[in-house]
Amino acid sequence: AQSVTQPDIHITVSEGASLELRCNYSYGATPYLFWYVQSPGQGLQLLLKYFSGDTLVQGIKGFEAEFKRSQSSFNLRKPSVHWSDAAEYFCAVVTTSGTYKYIFGTGTRLKVLA
Amino acid sequence: KAGVTQTPRYLIKTRGQQVTLSCSPISGHRSVSWYQQTPGQGLQFLFEYFSETQRNKGNFPGRFSGRQFSNSRSEMNVSTLELGDSALYLCASSFPAGGSYNEQFFGPGTRLTVL
Repeated sequence: AQSVTQPDIHITVSEGASLELRCNYSYGATPYLFWYVQSPGQGLQLLLKYFSGDTLVQGIKGFEAEFKRSQSSFNLRKPSVHWSDAAEYFCAVVTTSGTYKYIFGTGTRLKVLA
Repeated sequence: KAGVTQTPRYLIKTRGQQVTLSCSPISGHRSVSWYQQTPGQGLQFLFEYFSETQRNKGNFPGRFSGRQFSNSRSEMNVSTLELGDSALYLCASSFPAGGSYNEQFFGPGTRLTVL
């Protein structure tokens, strides 16, 4: 069965430090991969997506992610975190066999220390 | 373009009651999906509607149902509410085009509390 794992429930970093949020997926075919961010009281906003091609994708707010097929991973990175990045981050895979269906990870809550 | 809107934003119900939540997608979007978000389970897919037809369904009991109208607005209904139904219910719309995948745009959610 398809699944998405975000092993870190909480992460705390200092402002200005680099960030990496981990995401591993289980899916037999080539997946569509996404990272979303959710601020308190808000819906989800798309940060970036991977469909095919270059395995390093750039997103909004200075985020990037790298697709590694051999590791079934799609980790999210940012070189320098800002206090406004504090939020919850969700990795998702969309199955491409049959009808499209989103499967989300359980999320990683990011706290940023001033 | 206006974003996805959900009404009401907050709702308090008691066990055994039923509830209806509403979602208005972005203009021109024909697909609406519903998700339940809880702290322990994350986002769980409920169902997806496209052109008034349920196209996909998650693993939820029959107490959860939905529908979509000709203007693409969607409602979901939960009957015989249980305490465990307390959650943030998110709606997302997209404009699927000929089998290719398009991004989902999420609304702010409806926070349902069951007492």
